[in-house]
Parts: sequence; C-alpha cells; structure tokens
Amino acid sequence: ETGVTQSPTHLIKTRGQQVTLRCSSQSGHNTVSWYQQALGQGPQFIFQYYREEENGRGNFPPRFSGLQFPNYSSELNVNALELDDSALYLCAGRTSNTEAFFGQGTRLTVV
Amino acid sequence: SQQGEEDPQALSIQEGENATMNCSYKTSINNLQWYRQNSGRGLVHLILIRSNEREKHSGRLRVTLDTSKKSSSLLITASRAADTASYFCAAGSGAQKLVFGQGTRLTINP
Repeated sequence: ETGVTQSPTHLIKTRGQQVTLRCSSQSGHNTVSWYQQALGQGPQFIFQYYREEENGRGNFPPRFSGLQFPNYSSELNVNALELDDSALYLCAGRTSNTEAFFGQGTRLTVV
Repeated sequence: SQQGEEDPQALSIQEGENATMNCSYKTSINNLQWYRQNSGRGLVHLILIRSNEREKHSGRLRVTLDTSKKSSSLLITASRAADTASYFCAAGSGAQKLVFGQGTRLTINP
C-alpha cells in the first residue's frame, strides 16, 4: 500500500479527444509528479507540482497540463489526444527529497 | 529519451540464485532509487541510496553506488519466484524529477 490511488485504471479514448486522469495522494505528500510509461520503456517525467504550483516539466507539449489541489489530489489533462499518447500514466507522491510512492497507474489507449 | 540505462535488459535465473542488475546514469544526483514493477502496473519502491553512501542493505537487497563512475548495482540474493518483475533505477536530483532507465526484466525459474 503506497497511499497513492489513481483513477480510472483503464481508459479508451478516440484521437483528438481530451482526457483527465486523477490521482489521490496521502496527507503529507506535498509534491506530486506524473510520468508516462510507454510499453517496454521506463517512465518519462511529464511534470511535477509542489504546493499547487508546477515546479518542473519534462519534454512534453503544452497539451499536457495538470493541477494539484490542497487536499493532495492531482489531475493530469491531455488535450487533442494522439495515438502515441497511448501509455501507462503514473502518479507519484512524496515529501521533499525522499522516495516517491507510485499509484497503480492508468492505462490509456487512444484509438 | 531515457537518460539512464540498465544492464542487462533481461535476466533469467533459477530460483535460489543471486541476481545482479546494473544501472548507469548521466546527471548529478542527490540519490539513486530502485523500483520494482509487476506486469506493467505501479512502481514499488525498493531502496534509496544517497550520493554520499556507497552501499546499502535491505533484507535480501544490496545496492551499491559509485558516483565517480555514475553507476549503481542491485543484488537480490536467494531469489524467489515472486521476485519476477521489471526493475528500474531512478536518478534523483533533490526536489526535482526522477530519471528512469529502461529497466531490467528479471525472470526467476522454479
């Protein structure tokens, strides 16, 4: 049990649509990060939020956006979905400079 | 693109044997973390070693870190079927992102 839950677990969307993925982290996780993991690859950093402000971003286009809320929940929004966005999306919560605790992920399929 | 690499990409051993996985990274780090992933689901944190540490143990796990070579190794002793999974190293630079390698797929044969 990592204290991080993600919803939904699976999702199928059509190219061009928009999607919102959700993450709930336990109290004290003031930092939340999102990662994209393509099949057979390691996770790639999308962005990170600290106290509701984005404080780091990977090499992802602006159509990937996020929010962090005061109750330690977070969202990842992806607009104008492309086929290559099909992946496992992982959310991780942590306190500063400690290990990250990951949720079980959301498997997004874009058709 | 990945900034770390694990070696080997795949490893198959018999139950009871030891498994060693290596990781190289390119950035300066505050810590190096190892994670396990079963069947493409969430990552489970195994162990964190800080940049000023050289070796760390946790149960059947032993991790080493050589910052001069930008490399780390994970040793799993007395392997079990339940250890079958993908293992990832992740370079941590303080409060910022984790940079993952591509992982080692470990298979333990009964």
